[in-house]
Amino acid sequence: AQSVTQPDIHITVSEGASLELRCNYSYGATPYLFWYVQSPGQGLQLLLKYFSGDTLVQGIKGFEAEFKRSQSSFNLRKPSVHWSDAAEYFCAVVPLNNAGNMLTFGGGTRLMVKP
Amino acid sequence: DAGVTQSPTHLIKTRGQQVTLRCSPISGHKSVSWYQQVLGQGPQFIFQYYEKEERGRGNFPDRFSARQFPNYSSELNVNALLLGDSALYLCASRGQGEAGELFFGEGSRLTVL
Repeated sequence: AQSVTQPDIHITVSEGASLELRCNYSYGATPYLFWYVQSPGQGLQLLLKYFSGDTLVQGIKGFEAEFKRSQSSFNLRKPSVHWSDAAEYFCAVVPLNNAGNMLTFGGGTRLMVKP
Repeated sequence: DAGVTQSPTHLIKTRGQQVTLRCSPISGHKSVSWYQQVLGQGPQFIFQYYEKEERGRGNFPDRFSARQFPNYSSELNVNALLLGDSALYLCASRGQGEAGELFFGEGSRLTVL
């Protein structure tokens, strides 16, 4: 079955520290890959996406993600976390043959930032 | 420019009742999709509409239905509400961007008592 796994439910980092959020997917072929962020009381906002090409992609707010086909992973990173980054982060996929709106999301990772 | 707008933002219903949630996409966006987000979980796909036609349906019972209007706004209807339908219902619209590039509204939080 197709699935997206985010192994870490909660992560706490200190402000200024680096961050890595893990995402693994299980699909027959490499899908389109996304990271979305959800701040409290807000809808989801697209951080970055991977379709093809360079496996290191840059997104908004200083985030980047690296696609590793051999590990079926698409981990999200940020060199220095700011307090405003506290939110819930969702990894998502769309199969290549999909109409484009049918995202499959992981369970999310809640990020807390210590001052 | 206005983003995706949803109404109502919060509502409380009792078991067995029916609910209608509304969504207005970003101007110019013709595709609307609906997601259910149960507390503590990731969103789950319910429906996709494009040009007033259903283009996809997730694994939800027939109690869930939706439609899209000529102005591309959309409604999600849920009949015979169950306690387990309590969730944040998210609407998303998509323009001419790539697959998966969705713009989400802030959601309608439904509580079923």
